[in-house]
Amino acid sequence: DVKVTQSSRYLVKRTGEKVFLECVQDMDHENMFWYRQDPGLGLRLIYFSYDVKMKEKGDIPEGYSVSREKKERFSLILESASTNQTSMYLCASSIGFRDVAGENYGYTFGSGTRLTVV
Amino acid sequence: AQSVTQPDIHITVSEGASLELRCNYSYGATPYLFWYVQSPGQGLQLLLKYFSGDTLVQGIKGFEAEFKRSQSSFNLRKPSVHWSDAAEYFCAARPPRSDSWGKLQFGAGTQVVVTP
Repeated sequence: DVKVTQSSRYLVKRTGEKVFLECVQDMDHENMFWYRQDPGLGLRLIYFSYDVKMKEKGDIPEGYSVSREKKERFSLILESASTNQTSMYLCASSIGFRDVAGENYGYTFGSGTRLTVV
Repeated sequence: AQSVTQPDIHITVSEGASLELRCNYSYGATPYLFWYVQSPGQGLQLLLKYFSGDTLVQGIKGFEAEFKRSQSSFNLRKPSVHWSDAAEYFCAARPPRSDSWGKLQFGAGTQVVVTP
């Protein structure tokens, strides 16, 4: 089974801190994604990456950056954490754009990191 | 604009009763469609998916979904709900393989509560 591992389940940080959320997948997937999940808003895409060192902004990139130095690892960075970034953060991976119809089985998700900024 | 809509924010169902969760999509071409389930404190797990072909799709945990092009819908059903089905359910879609980099767009979710 594909595994997507997020390094922390719960995290409490102070306003203004630089925060790193780590995600590792073990199935050689090309695509990796960071979403945040808030009640009533569903999942919103922050950033995604389709290859090493390649990244694209999602729908809500403000206040975030990402790093993908190795294929298996995708990091989300909060440059200066603020209270409105308190949320559940979900990492996911999938096979890449080269897929043909029927072979893309959707995302595999990590268990999430619940970040509280105080 | 492309969108995925789950009209029901919250559904309460009795154990043993049937369950139907609604999902509507708005895309130029028929998208690939997915249903995910999220148990409390967990990530999302794929229940089933539709790409093409048979419009009735079977998934895990006894769930099925029916694609209806005329209604732009992909509703999830389960004939008899178990207490362990209490969770949040997300419908998701992506455009057919062309320009999306495989990004999924999610609905807002439906919270299912199961009563004894």
